[in-house]
Amino acid sequence: DTAVSQTPKYLVTQMGNDKSIKCEQNLGHDTMYWYKQDSKKFLKIMFSYNNKELIINETVPNRFSPKSPDKAHLNLHINSLELGDSAVYFCASSQSDWDTEYEQYFGPGTRLTVT
Amino acid sequence: DAKTTQPPSMDCAEGRAANLPCNHSTISGNEYVYWYRQIHSQGPQYIIHGLKNNETNEMASLIITEDRKSSTLILPHATLRDTAVYYCIVAYQKVTFGTGTKLQVIP
Repeated sequence: DTAVSQTPKYLVTQMGNDKSIKCEQNLGHDTMYWYKQDSKKFLKIMFSYNNKELIINETVPNRFSPKSPDKAHLNLHINSLELGDSAVYFCASSQSDWDTEYEQYFGPGTRLTVT
Repeated sequence: DAKTTQPPSMDCAEGRAANLPCNHSTISGNEYVYWYRQIHSQGPQYIIHGLKNNETNEMASLIITEDRKSSTLILPHATLRDTAVYYCIVAYQKVTFGTGTKLQVIP
């Protein structure tokens, strides 16, 4: 019944490694997002995909690469992990034609710790 | 950058109404006012949104001033489970979270 799910919930890895976080939504939404929440609890949008097309790409290092195999999935791949990548990453989705109002549904988050 | 100003923290007695203010003096005509909350470290949860008119749903009421430069989220009967950080957001298409108001509901 989970609307937006993420795996894994916790991810501990070493600097320099490559890792992926998966996100799936079963709401039939057209738009999906990735957010990063740092240690100061500031929540910032990273990417947005609408119908598998990249819509928003904030100032994010190109080590971060989102991949949307279909409308229900938006995965986040991170290359060459750095200490500063440690954060909680949230996936979200919304039903949006991109020019109308919408609300976003968030997943439970993935806590990434880079050592 | 967030376009809203919220008090960093508020307390509310359990069972009483919680009124959370938000200033958004630079809001544009096509921007909506959204409220979300984040309980502990969970994913943010949508509460309510509006454009010009006041709105009410099963969770809360949203009061928007006539000039749209400020709004108030009202939780009519706050419970301990309403303790959370509440974010007021003005947005069209892209949502930008600010620092929010940490609401503590006190028994």
